[in-house]
Amino acid sequence: QSVLTQPPSVSGAPGQRVTISCTGSSSNIGAGHAVHWYQQLPGTVPKLLIYSNTNRPAGVPDRFSASKSGTSASLTITGLQAEDEADYYCQSFDSSLTGYVFGTGTKVTVL
Amino acid sequence: EVQVLESGGGLVQPGGSQRLSCAASGLTFSSFGMGWVRQAPGKGLEWVSFISGSGATTYYADSVKGRFTISRDNSKSTLYLQMNTLRVEDTAVYYCAKFKGMERQNYALDVWGQGTTVSVS
Repeated sequence: QSVLTQPPSVSGAPGQRVTISCTGSSSNIGAGHAVHWYQQLPGTVPKLLIYSNTNRPAGVPDRFSASKSGTSASLTITGLQAEDEADYYCQSFDSSLTGYVFGTGTKVTVL
Repeated sequence: EVQVLESGGGLVQPGGSQRLSCAASGLTFSSFGMGWVRQAPGKGLEWVSFISGSGATTYYADSVKGRFTISRDNSKSTLYLQMNTLRVEDTAVYYCAKFKGMERQNYALDVWGQGTTVSVS
């Protein structure tokens, strides 16, 4: 049972903007622990998309951005493209569990 | 290029044991925390276990605590996961991954292996 909650799915037309929320609590996101985001394209290995709340690794397009506030975080895809169709997961650390936690995952569909 | 490669998956009966290995290359292995993440068929990602670079600190998900043991051999750049008392619900693809970051509470997983499948049936 995940302690980070994401919407099961979001969708948008090519070129549109979509936002995925990640809701946690005072023992993880609200405790100030960093939030990271992963993209898992169909049939592939998860890939680090955003680290430390807002940072993109080399090679990640700048249409991906993220933010964090209070006990929540969000990932935004601006200018949605067909190749962005994938599952997206947030991840943080939980002090109460003394371990890492993933979000429930969100499937992004490009209409 | 940093790479990690898992091995050791397979079919095991409930109550049985299995040991996964993860060989790393292209990095100073002892400098990085490592971990295991699993994904059950059609399900999301679940963090399983973490071990610090020295091996002195380990964390486990509640779902595997007391049954799984993470370890590492820095002389061989290899990570292990000993899984005992396996249950049907442990069936998943198990990914080995490298952690990055300045503080343990802010670590992200920046390098992932291709995964190895464990089927408990």
